[in-house]
Amino acid sequence: KQEVTQIPAALSVPEGENLVLNCSFTDSAIYNLQWFRQDPGKGLTSLLLIQSSQREQTSGRLNASLDKSSGRSTLYIAASQPGDSATYLCASTGRGNKLVFGAGTILRVKS
Amino acid sequence: GEEVAQTPKHLVRGEGQKAKLYCAPIKGHSYVFWYQQVLKNEFKFLISFQNENVFDETGMPKERFSAKCLPNSPCSLEIQATKLEDSAVYFCASSHLGSAQGATGNTIYFGEGSWLTVV
Repeated sequence: KQEVTQIPAALSVPEGENLVLNCSFTDSAIYNLQWFRQDPGKGLTSLLLIQSSQREQTSGRLNASLDKSSGRSTLYIAASQPGDSATYLCASTGRGNKLVFGAGTILRVKS
Repeated sequence: GEEVAQTPKHLVRGEGQKAKLYCAPIKGHSYVFWYQQVLKNEFKFLISFQNENVFDETGMPKERFSAKCLPNSPCSLEIQATKLEDSAVYFCASSHLGSAQGATGNTIYFGEGSWLTVV
């Protein structure tokens, strides 16, 4: 059974700092790894999707990497802004696009 | 539509009452998913559909929970005889393709959720 773990559980950084969120998964037989953002009281917004054959994906200030063999993914956020404050979730994708989520990292960027 | 639309946004039910939640997936998406979010961001997969057919129902509680996705109707998730522990946010999501069919089509889009409170 797939288990996804995210470290740290919470992170508070000053504005402008670069930061890394970590995600690990126990079963490397994944189709994709997806990073989401959740704002309080809202649904999930997809940030980046990395296919199992890829090593990384970039979108603006976000860069996500995937190392299937070690069961790890990282989300790198450059030059953080207060608007980046949210909960970040990673999820592995299995057959039929079924997601297994980590518990999330609560990020607070202080101005 | 261009977004996953869920109704109602909030629902309060007394213990033992029925609750029914609705979801309109993004037009053209073949896959629909239901997830339950309880405290501390724990997302639990409930069920998925490929068009109107159940694809994976391994997360559905065997009793009291049922779901449908019928042609030309919103998908629905129904909970009979609600219990206090059913209180959660229920998210619907949709995607264009299944997971093995290309990165762009794999992206899963979530609705804003339906907040169910059982009192």
